[in-house]
Amino acid sequence: QVQLQQSGPGLVKPSGTLSLTCAVSGDSINSSYWWNWVRQPPGKGLEWIGEIYYNGNTNYNPSLKSRVTISVDKSKNQFSLRLTSVTAADTAVYYCARDLVVPSTDPFDYWSQGTRVTVSS
Amino acid sequence: SSELTQDPAVSVALGQTVTITCQGDSLRDYHATWYQQRPGQAPALVIYGKSNRPSGIPDRFSGATSGNTASLTITGAQAEDEADYYCKSRDFSGSHLVFGGGTKLTVL
Repeated sequence: QVQLQQSGPGLVKPSGTLSLTCAVSGDSINSSYWWNWVRQPPGKGLEWIGEIYYNGNTNYNPSLKSRVTISVDKSKNQFSLRLTSVTAADTAVYYCARDLVVPSTDPFDYWSQGTRVTVSS
Repeated sequence: SSELTQDPAVSVALGQTVTITCQGDSLRDYHATWYQQRPGQAPALVIYGKSNRPSGIPDRFSGATSGNTASLTITGAQAEDEADYYCKSRDFSGSHLVFGGGTKLTVL
């Protein structure tokens, strides 16, 4: 059974850096999947942040690209999100998810429980 | 356009059939993926590809695509189907994913 376990602070100061980690168990991060980050502001819909392949290739949401870095640590079987220069608009529940990688579709079959991150001084 | 458009809210009587739609030009090239999100929970995959259901998803859930519109149909809606539903697809570049705005389904 694949499990994605997030960790990271729930409170970040404005202009600071948001850092979250997603530890993968029950599967190897070296498997041929894309590993994703998604967020959901309070009362709003889902927003895709970006993805990383096991070989380190990344794709980012164009609206966040200048502030986002997603990295993978194969030795710890985990991947991470770093979002710089945060503002109140970055307050959201953040999820990590596995993309099963099926041709012409991208099913996220496993999700983390989510971490609520608040940007406030 | 890389956007996906969903109706904000839809309602259905218990036991009846409801269709939730997702419109976007990229759906001519990529299948939509559908997620169900109940309050306070992470999203859960319900349909992917042409109309594939993950293990554990009831067969009352089905998907289809016509032109630039994808649809999720629930045949015989149950009370536990009341949730928010999101579609997702790649944009034309193939490098970015985008979610629809979500549809809140109410089962009456």
